Amino acid sequence: ETGVTQSPTHLIKTRGQQVTLRCSSQSGHNTVSWYQQALGQGPQFIFQYYREEENGRGNFPPRFSGLQFPNYSSELNVNALELDDSALYLCASSLGLAVTDTQYFGPGTRLTVL
Amino acid sequence: QQQVKQSPQSLIVQKGGISIINCAYENTAFDYFPWYQQFPGKGPALLIAIRPDVSEKKEGRFTISFNKSAKQFSLHIMDSQPGDSATYFCAAEGSSASKIIFGSGTRLSIRP
Repeated sequence: ETGVTQSPTHLIKTRGQQVTLRCSSQSGHNTVSWYQQALGQGPQFIFQYYREEENGRGNFPPRFSGLQFPNYSSELNVNALELDDSALYLCASSLGLAVTDTQYFGPGTRLTVL
Repeated sequence: QQQVKQSPQSLIVQKGGISIINCAYENTAFDYFPWYQQFPGKGPALLIAIRPDVSEKKEGRFTISFNKSAKQFSLHIMDSQPGDSATYFCAAEGSSASKIIFGSGTRLSIRP
């Protein structure tokens, strides 16, 4: 196990609703990154937080937002859910910002938007 | 647009054979190229990674070959085992805002 946990495991929402997904990083890891993985595709980078500040963002609209807390937990918030938001959402924690810092992924949250 | 193209989409290899997965990237600003292994119901896990100043890296049965001029890299799994059956993703990382780009994945099945 990676020591990275995510909750909930599965979630069903309807279009237009808002959702909050949670991640608990490995202790001591200052960086958390969030990814969206559509079925049969590779993960797509949403954004990264380092010591509670956003440090990079992929090609996702502002309705995707995040927070990182001092206790190594973080959140991904998605507003105004769309059908295409249905995917596996992964968080990954790493020690710092170096590309060589190993990212440890959680098992993901499966979000279904109806 | 930054892309990492991965092939094949799926691969079936006999036990003991060599599995080869290929990737190509476009952006020369990438400076780290990891491979991830993902089992059903799990998140990806780092398998092996290479920097562009090295042409080959080997760890156990896993080898990355890197061709900087062609902007291509590949994963070789020697003596493939049924336990290697998983989905493999290549990726390219850099210090740009978009951080990391993953390939679309290769579903590898090792036949006993």
